[in-house]
Amino acid sequence: AQRVTQPEKLLSVFKGAPVELKCNYSYSGSPELFWYVQYSRQRLQLLLRHISRESIKGFTADLNKGETSFHLKKPFAQEEDSAMYYCALRRQAGTALIFGKGTTLSVSS
Amino acid sequence: GAGVSQSPRYKVAKRGQDVALRCDPISGHVSLFWYQQALGQGPEFLTYFQNEAQLDKSGLPSDRFFAERPEGSVSTLKIQRTQQEDSAVYLCASSLESRGGTEAFFGQGTRLTVV
Repeated sequence: AQRVTQPEKLLSVFKGAPVELKCNYSYSGSPELFWYVQYSRQRLQLLLRHISRESIKGFTADLNKGETSFHLKKPFAQEEDSAMYYCALRRQAGTALIFGKGTTLSVSS
Repeated sequence: GAGVSQSPRYKVAKRGQDVALRCDPISGHVSLFWYQQALGQGPEFLTYFQNEAQLDKSGLPSDRFFAERPEGSVSTLKIQRTQQEDSAVYLCASSLESRGGTEAFFGQGTRLTVV
């Protein structure tokens, strides 16, 4: 069965510090991996996906098939990055997303 | 519309009452998904529509849950004889195509509280 694990429920860092939100997945095939973000009182929105290999708001994520990981990284955290972050897996286009339980990122000055 | 719209935003139901939750997807979006998000958890898949066809309902937790999308646009999730364990945020998401890996856009959700 497919599963997404985010081991940290809460990650607190100071402004300017590096951030790494961990995500591990279990799936025997080649999934699509995503990071979604939910800012306070806003809807869930896509942050980035592994196939795009892009940087959004300074965040990057690299798919490591050997370690089955898709960790989200940012070298210098900003206070506006404070939000709930969800890692998600999809078997193929047109199928449902499978979400982790989420990690709350809190960035303080 | 500008995005996926869900109504009502909040619903309080007495145990045993039936509820209906509405989702207005982005115009022209083919795919529509319903998710259930319990407190402290990530969203969990309930059911999927491609146009008016319900292609996957494997995530519906019991036969008290029913979803429809009769004209391939607006969708309704109905829960009969609500129980306390049904309390959750119900999210709807739509995407433009069934294939091609397009982005899923989420609504703001309906928070259901069963008392």
